[in-house]
Amino acid sequence: AQKITQTQPGMFVQEKEAVTLDCTYDTSDQSYGLFWYKQPSSGEMIFLIYQGSYDEQNATEGRYSLNFQKARKSANLVISASQLGDSAMYFCAMRGTLDSNYQLIWGAGTKLIIKP
Amino acid sequence: GAGVSQTPSNKVTEKGKYVELRCDPISGHTALYWYRQSLGQGPEFLIYFQGTGAADDSGLPNDRFFAVRPEGSVSTLKIQRTERGDSAVYLCASTSDFSHEQFFGPGTRLTVL
Repeated sequence: AQKITQTQPGMFVQEKEAVTLDCTYDTSDQSYGLFWYKQPSSGEMIFLIYQGSYDEQNATEGRYSLNFQKARKSANLVISASQLGDSAMYFCAMRGTLDSNYQLIWGAGTKLIIKP
Repeated sequence: GAGVSQTPSNKVTEKGKYVELRCDPISGHTALYWYRQSLGQGPEFLIYFQGTGAADDSGLPNDRFFAVRPEGSVSTLKIQRTERGDSAVYLCASTSDFSHEQFFGPGTRLTVL
């Protein structure tokens, strides 16, 4: 069975510092995708970044990068130069293969608070 | 272009009542997902549509829950005999055949009193 684990329920980070949000996963699939989503207090789920299991390079999107360590089954999100607007819940999710209809399996989330 | 829309944004109902939650996906997106997010938790998969048919309804918690997508676009999630435990945010997402990303709607917050 697929599983996502986020071990940090909450984090406080000083504005402008970098922050790493942890995510580990478990799957027996050879092909899978890993996602990070941001959910502000308003509730919408905002896509941040995607990493495919066969991608050789770590994904980057602006201030977001994904530290993908396949052998360790970890997919940590790194946010550089944090901003007050980064305060939100962050979810790591995994998409399985066609057999699982590409549904997303989600972690419990990490609540990130950026301090001014 | 418009994103995924969901109506109503909030729904308060009494235990035992019937509710319908609507999702309007991005035009042209063939795949549609429903998820349920309880307070303080990550979303949980409910049901997946590819076109008009429910390709995977394995996440529906029991037979009080049902969803349709009759024309392959708008979907309605239907909950019969609501219970207090059904209170959650119900999220809808759609995706095209060519994208990894699931695009989410703003959700419907259901409160069962």
